[in-house]
Amino acid sequence: NAGVTQTPKFQVLKTGQSMTLQCAQDMNHNSMYWYRQDPGMGLRLIYYSASEGTTDKGEVPNGYNVSRLNKREFSLRLESAAPSQTSVYFCASSPRGGGQYFGPGTRLTVT
Amino acid sequence: GESVGLHLPTLSVQEGDNSIINCAYSNSASDYFIWYKQESGKGPQFIIDIRSNMDKRQGQRVTVLLNKTVKHLSLQIAATQPGDSAVYFCAENIQGGSEKLVFGKGTKLTVNP
Repeated sequence: NAGVTQTPKFQVLKTGQSMTLQCAQDMNHNSMYWYRQDPGMGLRLIYYSASEGTTDKGEVPNGYNVSRLNKREFSLRLESAAPSQTSVYFCASSPRGGGQYFGPGTRLTVT
Repeated sequence: GESVGLHLPTLSVQEGDNSIINCAYSNSASDYFIWYKQESGKGPQFIIDIRSNMDKRQGQRVTVLLNKTVKHLSLQIAATQPGDSAVYFCAENIQGGSEKLVFGKGTKLTVNP
């Protein structure tokens, strides 16, 4: 049981490039989330998916898109990366009514 | 807006002592709370949760106390060890589940040998 996995672990992009961050969970959880974590800002919700086939915006959705591919996988896409998107990105999942479990994170630098 | 905050940004304790990390929340409708531990370079790790119909819950070496009267949450770590050094976050949810959590900024706990 791997829990929540994320790929890649590290990524460097140039301004304007695009990329997709992958997330998968093997706990059969209904809900999945994408957060970014910046120094002094704490965890901020980008998008979440309460169930397969649904997605909703969080606190900071601008510049991102998501896809809930199936119950296991939830991807985050940056269409045109900007330096302001330099951050650590965490994916999480939760069962209905339970706590969220996080992946190890992706450290993204946009130059 | 509603937010979860922390009384102290840093806490330093001696190995073997008990640690208490505090959290204040402002939303009286919050009914589910979680404590997370985040070690350097890693993702947040679920430690313990508590629902608003309880005022105390114990785990292995950790206890969470909830005081709804003053909207205060605390995490007690017994016999603190160097491996407990990390940033601890509290989080609250107001919907009876965890579709959206509001996180505090965290308290950095340092355990001195």
